[in-house]
Amino acid sequence: DGGITQSPKYLFRKEGQNVTLSCEQNLNHDAMYWYRQDPGQGLRLIYYSQIVNDFQKGDIAEGYSVSREKKESFPLTVTSAQKNPTAFYLCASSIGTSGIREQFFGPGTRLTVL
Amino acid sequence: KNQVEQSPQSLIILEGKNCTLQCNYTVSPFSNLRWYKQDTGRGPVSLTIMTFSENTKSNGRYTATLDADTKQSSLHITASQLSDSASYICVVSEGTSGTYKYIFGTGTRLKVLA
Repeated sequence: DGGITQSPKYLFRKEGQNVTLSCEQNLNHDAMYWYRQDPGQGLRLIYYSQIVNDFQKGDIAEGYSVSREKKESFPLTVTSAQKNPTAFYLCASSIGTSGIREQFFGPGTRLTVL
Repeated sequence: KNQVEQSPQSLIILEGKNCTLQCNYTVSPFSNLRWYKQDTGRGPVSLTIMTFSENTKSNGRYTATLDADTKQSSLHITASQLSDSASYICVVSEGTSGTYKYIFGTGTRLKVLA
């Protein structure tokens, strides 16, 4: 999976709980991204970060939060404000955000709200 | 509105046969187009990346074509194998530099039968 790890692979959450999904990369990439994948839909961007200590909202950021304190790590917190959090979450990284900027994806975390 | 449409939605073929998947896009300005293979429950893996000046790119049994004039791309799989069973996602990057925008298609789900 291109040097990107995500944990856990499966995550179960009760309604009203916050959960944090881990994403780590050892590719020395500057940019990192979080996507959500739902059946029958294309990947949708939640947040992205171009450099350490900086991140930007994507198309569906409501109910999510992120941090980028280290180049290698980009954790995603799914808060209780996210109304429909059950989905497959994918983390990706790229060497930058200009040019070809090929994205490499992690193996994903499947979140289920009970 | 920037969109990427893929067809067919799903496809079943016999092992050893060839198949072609289609991708039409309305993304502007266009930067590059890539095809990903995504096994069930895993992250997408890049197959090919093409800029507007490239009209064909191969990766083993996978050959992608791009017609920037008609805004169409195809992915041809030769001599299919059982391991080709997966979803194939077309992704178009918007802009020429400094932007994060990747527009994802919903994918074609391919099933190869013995």
